[in-house]
Amino acid sequence: DVKVTQSSRYLVKRTGEKVFLECVQDMDHENMFWYRQDPGLGLRLIYFSYDVKMKEKGDIPEGYSVSREKKERFSLILESASTNQTSMYLCASTENSPLHFGNGTRLTVT
Amino acid sequence: AQSVTQPDIHITVSEGASLELRCNYSYGATPYLFWYVQSPGQGLQLLLKYFSGDTLVQGIKGFEAEFKRSQSSFNLRKPSVHWSDAAEYFCAVAPQGGKLIFGQGTELSVKP
Repeated sequence: DVKVTQSSRYLVKRTGEKVFLECVQDMDHENMFWYRQDPGLGLRLIYFSYDVKMKEKGDIPEGYSVSREKKERFSLILESASTNQTSMYLCASTENSPLHFGNGTRLTVT
Repeated sequence: AQSVTQPDIHITVSEGASLELRCNYSYGATPYLFWYVQSPGQGLQLLLKYFSGDTLVQGIKGFEAEFKRSQSSFNLRKPSVHWSDAAEYFCAVAPQGGKLIFGQGTELSVKP
């Protein structure tokens, strides 16, 4: 069974802080994704990566960056957290379809 | 642009009643189609998927969905809802080989 692990379930950070959200998958998947989930908006793609050191912008990349130094790990970085980045963040991985999701990180920026 | 619409934000059904959650998509060709479920505090779990072939697909937990090309729909159904089915349900489409696009979600509440 595919396991996608997000290191934190809940995070509280202050405005302006640099925030790292970590995601690890154990199935040697090529493709990894970061989404944010907000009520009434569904899931929106922030960034994705189809290989080590490769990254592509999703639909809402502003204010975020990512890092994929190893195949199993895909990090989402908020360079300077803002209150409008308070959200649920979901990581996913896949080889083809479908996506396999982690349990999410609920980030609150105060 | 491709889009996915789930017209119902919130649905309440009685336990034992039948359920249908609607999903419509906008895309020129037939995309890959998915339904995911998210229980409170959890990530998304795949219920079922359609790539090609038989338009009625069976999923986990007693769910099924029917792809109707003429209506650009992929509605999710269950004949008899259980209290444990209360969750948020997301329809998603992927142009073949493309990125997954999610609907806004439908929250299902189940009355005893």
